[in-house]
This record gives sequence, C-alpha cells and structure tokens, in this order.
Amino acid sequence: DIQMTQSPSTLSASVGDRVTITCRASQSISVWLAWYQQKAGKAPKLLIYRASTLQSGVPSRFSGSGSGIEFTLTISSLQPDDFATYYCQQYNSYSTFGGGTKVEIK
Amino acid sequence: QVQLQESGPGLVKPSQTLSLTCSVSGGSISSVGHYWSWIRQHPGKGLEWIGYMYFSGSTSYNPSLKSRVTVSIDTSKNQFSLKLNSVTAADTAVYYCARGTRQWLGDYYDYWGQGNLVTVSS
Repeated sequence: DIQMTQSPSTLSASVGDRVTITCRASQSISVWLAWYQQKAGKAPKLLIYRASTLQSGVPSRFSGSGSGIEFTLTISSLQPDDFATYYCQQYNSYSTFGGGTKVEIK
Repeated sequence: QVQLQESGPGLVKPSQTLSLTCSVSGGSISSVGHYWSWIRQHPGKGLEWIGYMYFSGSTSYNPSLKSRVTVSIDTSKNQFSLKLNSVTAADTAVYYCARGTRQWLGDYYDYWGQGNLVTVSS
C-alpha cells in the first residue's frame, strides 16, 4: 500500500498569506497526485490533478508542484473562502488519501 | 454539469448489509474513461477509497475491504450501487459516490455526491 503523509496537520494563517502544504508518498507515484478542498459538512472539491494541472473553475491562486514522492499545494494569497481542510490523493496504485491539513484563521 | 446523488438508509444494524445507490444525472454512466467510485469518511477523519466499477463491468476494490464489498452498475437507470456486508460500528461513516476520471492507471475524482451518513448501531 502507498501511504500519503501530509504536513502540517493544522496551519494557522491570515488573509493574504502565502500558504504551502506538503504531501509525501511512501514510494514514487510519478505525477499521479490530486489535491482537494473540503469544507465542513460538504463533499471534497477537486482543485488540482496530475500534480500541477488546475481543475477548470479553480482560482489561479492555487498551484501544485512536485513529482516522485514529494508534492506541494500552494495558495499564493489566502482568501476568506480558502479556510478549509485540504487532502492529497495518490492514484498511481489504487487510491489513497493523505490525512488532511486544516487551514484555520490565525 | 454532472451531478451525483446518494440514497439509502442512514441506519444499519451490526452484521447486516449496508446498501447505497448513486444516481447520476447530466452525463452517461457509460462514458469512456470514467470509473464510478465509492469513498467514505469516518467521523472527523480522512478519506478512504472503497472501490469502483466501470460500465464494461470491470471492478477494483480496496484490499482492506475487498472481502465485504460489491459495486454494481445499472446502465439503464444511470445508477451504481454499493453493498458492504457484515458491517460493524467501524463502518459508521459518511459515504460518498464520485466520478473517477482515469489517468494512467488510476483516477482522480472530479464530481462527488453530497454524502450519505450511515450509522451502524443496534
């Protein structure tokens, strides 16, 4: 099984901050990684797939990078609507999700 | 715009079978390259992929659940279903249906249902 480890588990930030979340795979997954945003009581929303491809309709302040085992999600300027929990997902072998990163208001 | 909607009981007794259905609208369940999946989220926890079915009939399941899971498709109704046997309290979770879009050997999930909380309790 491929394990996905996200860090940090919680992040406190202010509107306008640049935020970076890291996801590490237990083995190489090439670029087969997606990022999701989830708000309380809602289904996850796809932000990025293939490590760096922005899903249609997602604001350009979101970006993804990485390959192999280490990946990052960056929010260039945090907006009020961005306070949520973020998950990475590998889809190189079956599908596994990271434990999540909660972005909260500082 | 593709929409997915789960339906099914919110309460299941231990040792019984959990059954959920996902109705797909705005797109065909027989579309090439899309794999119809179930994902669950235990209360306050992360996401766990359960399994998928392709319209051709091929399936894949999470190895940790494989012995208890069946995913099926009804193309005439544009629906797919989940059955999870011999449930315990550990199966209490929000169950999501989702459309997986295939890249390489796996899927990312671009459309999701709203989620169905299933509680296992006597």
